[in-house]
Parts: sequence; C-alpha cells; structure tokens
Amino acid sequence: KQEVTQIPAALSVPEGENLVLNCSFTDSAIYNLQWFRQDPGKGLTSLLLIQSSQREQTSGRLNASLDKSSGRSTLYIAASQPGDSATYLCAVKGWSNYQLIWGAGTKLIIKP
Amino acid sequence: DTEVTQTPKHLVMGMTNKKSLKCEQHMGHRAMYWYKQKAKKPPELMFVYSYEKLSINESVPSRFSPECPNSSLLNLHLHALQPEDSALYLCASSQGASGDPGETQYFGPGTRLLVL
Repeated sequence: KQEVTQIPAALSVPEGENLVLNCSFTDSAIYNLQWFRQDPGKGLTSLLLIQSSQREQTSGRLNASLDKSSGRSTLYIAASQPGDSATYLCAVKGWSNYQLIWGAGTKLIIKP
Repeated sequence: DTEVTQTPKHLVMGMTNKKSLKCEQHMGHRAMYWYKQKAKKPPELMFVYSYEKLSINESVPSRFSPECPNSSLLNLHLHALQPEDSALYLCASSQGASGDPGETQYFGPGTRLLVL
C-alpha cells in the first residue's frame, strides 16, 4: 500500500531564502507526482506535475524533482516571498485509475 | 476556462436538514470528484464519476448522495448529517484519461460546511 510522507510538517523562514520541501513515497510504481498549494480555507492549486518518466519540472521560482528509485521528490522554492506562505501538499498517482495518495502537507510561513 | 466553481461557499445546516452542494466545470472534463477535507489534514476521496457514471465510492455513509446530471455538473446531496461531517468539501475534475501520466486534477475553492 502506497504511503506518502512530507517532512517537515511546518517550516518558517525569513523572506528571500531558498528552501526545500520534501516528499517521500513507499512504492516506486507511480504514474506521476504532483505538488499542490493550499491557502487557508481554500481549494488546492496544482503547482507542478512530474510524470513517472521525468526527473524534474520547473515553473518560475519553483522546481520539483523526482527520484523514483529512492522514493523521493523535492520542491525547491527560490527567493521565497511572504506570498509563498501556504500549505504545500504532494500527491502520488498510482496504479488505480483516479486516486491520488496524499501527503499530510508542509505548512510554510515566510516571515517578512 | 480552467475553473471549477462550487456553490455555496459556506453552509450551515442542522442535523435534520436536507441541502445540496453544487460543482460545475466547463473544461470538457469527463471525470469529476468529491473530496472531504478536515482541518490540517489532506483531502479524502469520497466519490468519483467517470463519464457521468459513479466509478468509485469510498465507503461513504448513505447520508451523502452524489449525483452527476450531465458532464459539467456534479451535486452532493446531504441529509441527516452529523456534527463530525463538518469539513471543507472540495470538488475536482480531470480529463478522464486515467492512463495519462500527465493528467492533473483541477480543484474548486470548496464549500465550508458546518453541521450543528
């Protein structure tokens, strides 16, 4: 059974720092891995999707990597800003047709 | 248009009430989802509709009744809920190409439900 873990559960850093969020999964047989952002009380926004055949994806200041062999993904945020404060969740799409297996999320606070 | 809309944004209901949550998308997606999310927890999948047919029901109590009137609309009918059902209810949609590793789900803003 696939399990997804995100460490740390919470992270607080000063504005301007580069930071890394971690996601690990137990079964390397995945279709894709996604990183989502969720602001308090709001829906989820897909940030990056890495297909199983890919190693990384980039969007602006965000870079996500995928290492299936070690069961790890990282989300790198460059030059963090207070507007990046949110909860970041990773989700793995496995063999079943539609289900995403979710991590518990990392709550990120960027201090001005 | 890459938007999933949900109404209402907030809902307060008593345990004897009947209410409905609505979700709409106009992206031509053929898969639609209902999730329940409790505070500080990830979303929990409730139902999946694929091509307007219920394909997944994650052992959800019968007081939750989904309906997919057409490919753009998804409803969740609520009846005799319990206080522990209070949560954020999220709707999502995707193209429906389950074998496509590039397929992503698009989420609506959610309905915040409080059951008294």
